[in-house]
Amino acid sequence: SQQGEEDPQALSIQEGENATMNCSYKTSINNLQWYRQNSGRGLVHLILIRSNEREKHSGRLRVTLDTSKKSSSLLITASRAADTASYFCATVLGGGSRLTFGEGTQLTVNP
Amino acid sequence: GAGVSQSPSNKVTEKGKDVELRCDPISGHTALYWYRQRLGQGLEFLIYFQGNSAPDKSGLPSDRFSAERTGESVSTLTIQRTQQEDSAVYLCATSNTEAFFGQGTRLTVV
Repeated sequence: SQQGEEDPQALSIQEGENATMNCSYKTSINNLQWYRQNSGRGLVHLILIRSNEREKHSGRLRVTLDTSKKSSSLLITASRAADTASYFCATVLGGGSRLTFGEGTQLTVNP
Repeated sequence: GAGVSQSPSNKVTEKGKDVELRCDPISGHTALYWYRQRLGQGLEFLIYFQGNSAPDKSGLPSDRFSAERTGESVSTLTIQRTQQEDSAVYLCATSNTEAFFGQGTRLTVV
């Protein structure tokens, strides 16, 4: 199974609401990253959180990391229709090996 | 260049033909990844190059798939004797820490 697994698989909300997506992983990590994908093409890096960090902010994005539960969450506040996309978490395992992606969460923000 | 460049952007090929996909990395990025993404699905890891180390080929689905990269330069992904199930978007990414993706090559095998 995937090292990073997001839930929910799909999320539909109204503009202005907050969106929360979760990611769970199985083994120890160096860092965890969140990416966004529009229209099935290249992914765009959003935020990186290291294993010794618990929370990071970037604009309307807030990421938390709980290494004891092996989970992370991505919160998008005051969502906009333009936030509609697929969101993926990715982990770099302890030891610094490859970047492994989860299956993603499809977020739809309705205007 | 400023970003990861992949070519071609789209490729339609007949079943049984060979195809070669190209990825031009961001200068200085030591790691390079190839992923496959079928419609509506997640990223399927194919192969990972890190500097001059032996590549991690554990994700290649069959011996019809191969990839090369010389040093920290261009990489090519080759699919021999293409099958319809090879139809997908093939994404290349390079990184030092966070990954930067190209726009992908959409491969359609007819």
